[in-house]
Amino acid sequence: DGGITQSPKYLFRKEGQNVTLSCEQNLNHDAMYWYRQDPGQGLRLIYYSQIVNDFQKGDIAEGYSVSREKKESFPLTVTSAQKNPTAFYLCASGQGKTQPQHFGDGTRLSIL
Amino acid sequence: GQQVMQIPQYQHVQEGEDFTTYCNSSTTLSNIQWYKQRPGGHPVFLIQLVKSGEVKKQKRLTFQFGEAKKNSSLHITATQTTDVGTYFCASGTGTYKYIFGTGTRLKVLA
Repeated sequence: DGGITQSPKYLFRKEGQNVTLSCEQNLNHDAMYWYRQDPGQGLRLIYYSQIVNDFQKGDIAEGYSVSREKKESFPLTVTSAQKNPTAFYLCASGQGKTQPQHFGDGTRLSIL
Repeated sequence: GQQVMQIPQYQHVQEGEDFTTYCNSSTTLSNIQWYKQRPGGHPVFLIQLVKSGEVKKQKRLTFQFGEAKKNSSLHITATQTTDVGTYFCASGTGTYKYIFGTGTRLKVLA
């Protein structure tokens, strides 16, 4: 089945630690996105990538980093500089500026 | 920057009652998308509106895009318990970036 796979489903981070969230898609979509969702809140854009080897900051990029070395993969690293990382992280992909976004099942990140 | 306001934030309805959520932008939108997120799940695309004044229907759901392309609404007729979830609008910026509204959480009381 075509889709987006995020892993892990749950992740715990220690103080001062960087963690990486995985996102893989087999939909052959050019664009990929990372969103953060806090309880009872909407989706806020962290980073997005229109094409391989290119990405742009979203509205809340501070404390996060990404890479897009392959079309299928768009990992997100939550660095120790992100002081409040506890949230639900959603990865999405889309084909074109006016095409719908397809979301993965998300990763719940918590602080130990 | 572009902002998208969505109201109401919460709505509790009795099963069978109607429900409407509104999405308002500070700028003219190129297009607008609607998504539904079930509790504990991920957003799922419902529909996209592109043209000024456009109205689209999906069974009990009616979507409308304002004449000025600055607002949109989603109306559900005769809600059912399966309609429970959070409904988000996402405004197109003409680029690959979308701005999501804060969402309307719908609870349906049986």
